[in-house]
Amino acid sequence: DGGITQSPKYLFRKEGQNVTLSCEQNLNHDAMYWYRQDPGQGLRLIYYSQIVNDFQKGDIAEGYSVSREKKESFPLTVTSAQKNPTAFYLCASSTGLYETQYFGPGTRLLVL
Amino acid sequence: DQQVKQNSPSLSVQEGRISILNCDYTNSMFDYFLWYKKYPAEGPTFLISISSIKDKNEDGRFTVFLNKSAKHLSLHIVPSQPGDSAVYFCAASPENELSGTASKLTFGTGTRLQVTL
Repeated sequence: DGGITQSPKYLFRKEGQNVTLSCEQNLNHDAMYWYRQDPGQGLRLIYYSQIVNDFQKGDIAEGYSVSREKKESFPLTVTSAQKNPTAFYLCASSTGLYETQYFGPGTRLLVL
Repeated sequence: DQQVKQNSPSLSVQEGRISILNCDYTNSMFDYFLWYKKYPAEGPTFLISISSIKDKNEDGRFTVFLNKSAKHLSLHIVPSQPGDSAVYFCAASPENELSGTASKLTFGTGTRLQVTL
């Protein structure tokens, strides 16, 4: 079964703590993306990666970091510098330009 | 600056009737448009897309219309069914950005559709 998995479904962060959200795909897609969704707002792009070992900042990259060491994996770290991390985080992937992005189920991050 | 706008945050339609969801954009570089459907606590799922070389694309009950001169697109769902109740996001992408493989989508804020019995 091909698809995108995100874990965990819910994540709690303490003040000053870094947390990492997992995103794995077995669709053999080159491109992967991280979005954030806040109530009443559209999806906003945090980071994206065209190919392995390459990634670019999206519209709201401050306070986040990513890595792309493997084609299948694109973890997102929410650092302590991100002052408002509570949101629903969505990972997506696509084969390339103009190709449809397929989304994972999302991770809800809450700050304790 | 919201480059993709969905001005109606919610829409209620009776089962069997037509649902029309609207989307406006400001960036003339956008050339590819998509609609996604999202249920609560789930990721969006792709619904239908349209390239700027077309003005209409149809897939079953779903039709997307593009008016490039007005920078406007709409999604029509006919007939509407209770299972269509969800949030619908419009998204747009420029054609030759980066000359690479990643397509950077810009999303609207979504319209919540409620199909009533």
